[in-house]
Amino acid sequence: EVQLVQSGAEVKKPGESLRISCKGSGYSFTTYWISWVRQMPGKGLEWMGRIDPSDSYTTYSPSFQGHVTFSADKSISTAYLQWSSLKASDTAMYYCARGDGSNRFDPWGQGTLVTVSS
Amino acid sequence: QSVLTQPPSASGTPGQRVTISCSGSSSNIATNTVNWYQQLPGTAPKLLIYSDNQRPSGVPDRFSGSKSGTSASLAISGLQSEDEADYYCATWDDSLNGPVFGGGTKLTVL
Repeated sequence: EVQLVQSGAEVKKPGESLRISCKGSGYSFTTYWISWVRQMPGKGLEWMGRIDPSDSYTTYSPSFQGHVTFSADKSISTAYLQWSSLKASDTAMYYCARGDGSNRFDPWGQGTLVTVSS
Repeated sequence: QSVLTQPPSASGTPGQRVTISCSGSSSNIATNTVNWYQQLPGTAPKLLIYSDNQRPSGVPDRFSGSKSGTSASLAISGLQSEDEADYYCATWDDSLNGPVFGGGTKLTVL
């Protein structure tokens, strides 16, 4: 079974750093992009960007460029989303999703809830 | 403001047929395939329709997709209570050089 399993919920203070993970299984991890998608409370889906796990080439949405960093460790089939300085406005559910050449996202991870509050 | 426009809500009674629209432009829907995602309450999105009108294995044939020009539609026939969810359209945007989502449509089964 192809699946993506994300790390657990996090509660952080503004200014703190954070890295969340997304582990793929059931397929060749380096064959597909991993995209990250944000869903703020009660809102829709926003594409943050993607990483190619085979060479760690990244593409960021302009809305997120400079505020988050994507990385991947293909030896353990895991992609990461990282913040160096969180803001309250980063409070959201974050999903990873496997992407193919036709830009369909399938499957999705179960999501990681990030709460940033003082 | 989403690049793709969906109605915020839709509703129907069990057994009815409902459609959800997704309006875009020449830089996205007109030139790229459209995918649809279903997000059941409290869960992650799931691929429902890909390449405009293709169903992944396991998706009932009650769900169908279509596209014409700069608009796409998702149709659900024989509506069931378990179809109550948020539905999102998505496609690639050539101007933004990335995928874009619609704002989502909340489907209520009355």
